[in-house]
Amino acid sequence: AQSVTQLDSHVSVSEGTPVLLRCNYSSSYSPSLFWYVQHPNKGLQLLLKYTSAATLVKGINGFEAEFKKSETSFHLTKPSAHMSDAAEYFCVVSRRGGGADGLTFGKGTHLIIQP
Amino acid sequence: DTGVSQNPRHKITKRGQNVTFRCDPISEHNRLYWYRQTLGQGPEFLTYFQNEAQLEKSRLLSDRFSAERPKGSFSTLEIQRTEQGDSAMYLCASTAGTGDSYEQYFGPGTRLTVT
Repeated sequence: AQSVTQLDSHVSVSEGTPVLLRCNYSSSYSPSLFWYVQHPNKGLQLLLKYTSAATLVKGINGFEAEFKKSETSFHLTKPSAHMSDAAEYFCVVSRRGGGADGLTFGKGTHLIIQP
Repeated sequence: DTGVSQNPRHKITKRGQNVTFRCDPISEHNRLYWYRQTLGQGPEFLTYFQNEAQLEKSRLLSDRFSAERPKGSFSTLEIQRTEQGDSAMYLCASTAGTGDSYEQYFGPGTRLTVT
């Protein structure tokens, strides 16, 4: 079975400083991994996805993530936080290989941006 | 608006009543998914359809839950004899294909409160 563990339930950073949201995965298959963001009262939006191509994946709004098989990690980073980044972030793995099957979500990391 | 739509957005019901939610996927998306998200948790997969065929149901989907997609377009999720534990956000998503490159697009959700 596939699973993801988000290592921090809350992360607080100052505006303009780097963001690091940590995620470890477990998968019997070669995984497809995703990061989704959920702003208050808005739908889930895909930030980026890894599907066995380049291990460094660039997403929207300046976010990127690196797939590290040896560490079973897929951490999300951004060089400089913006106030609009405040939201809930979910690390996600496909239940079987491929993003079109049902997804398994982590519990989420609440990102707080301090002015 | 060409995104995934869900109706109603909010539903308050009394324990024991039946409720039905509707999801309209993005036009021509052949896969449709239902997820449930409780407060402070990530979404959990419930079931998915390819066209009108329901291909998989999670163990979370008790026999009080039934989902349909009769013509391969919109879908309904019915909960019979609601319980307070059914209170959650019910999310619908759709995707165009079955490969790794296909993103799941999420609707805004239906928030169910069982009193």
